[in-house]
Amino acid sequence: AQKVTQAQTEISVVEKEDVTLDCVYETRDTTYYLFWYKQPPSGELVFLIRRNSFDEQNEISGRYSWNFQKSTSSFNFTITASQVVDSAVYFCALIPNSGGYQKVTFGIGTKLQVIP
Amino acid sequence: NAGVTQTPKFQVLKTGQSMTLQCAQDMNHEYMSWYRQDPGMGLRLIHYSVGAGITDQGEVPNGYNVSRSTTEDFPLRLLSAAPSQTSVYFCASSYLPRDEQFFGPGTRLTVL
Repeated sequence: AQKVTQAQTEISVVEKEDVTLDCVYETRDTTYYLFWYKQPPSGELVFLIRRNSFDEQNEISGRYSWNFQKSTSSFNFTITASQVVDSAVYFCALIPNSGGYQKVTFGIGTKLQVIP
Repeated sequence: NAGVTQTPKFQVLKTGQSMTLQCAQDMNHEYMSWYRQDPGMGLRLIHYSVGAGITDQGEVPNGYNVSRSTTEDFPLRLLSAAPSQTSVYFCASSYLPRDEQFFGPGTRLTVL
């Protein structure tokens, strides 16, 4: 069985603060893909990043960065200098490389509120 | 490109009624999925398709049917609506099975 845990259900930060959203996963597969999606208040889901388990390099895209650590089964997401537009629900997801397409698992999401 | 479109955006049903949620994509993606989103439960996979004519069950398929007669369309049918099916439904597509998914805008369904 596989599992994605986002222990922080809600986080509030003041604008310009840095914030890290945690994602811890469990899988028996040795190869897998991890994802982050953003769901702003308007409701649509927007893809942010995909990471192959072979690639443990951290990634930075503007104010966003991701820290992937296989040793702790974590794929954390940091927003630097948060802005009000970052207010959204963020989902972490896992797809194993083996088995069927149906094995996608989403976390329950972390709701981030950035206060002006 | 319109991406992934879903209709309707909102729907209210009475218990026992049936309806079809429409989903279409214009990106020529083979892989399409239906999810439901419930508070505190994230997104759960209902059904998915790996190409025209091929569908399979996800995590929570009971009460729903799908078919895929064309690459573009992937409708979700509620056979006899129940209050437990009150949810937000998302359709998604991807080029390959482990690629990022493109999501539609969602359908908010209430079953009374």
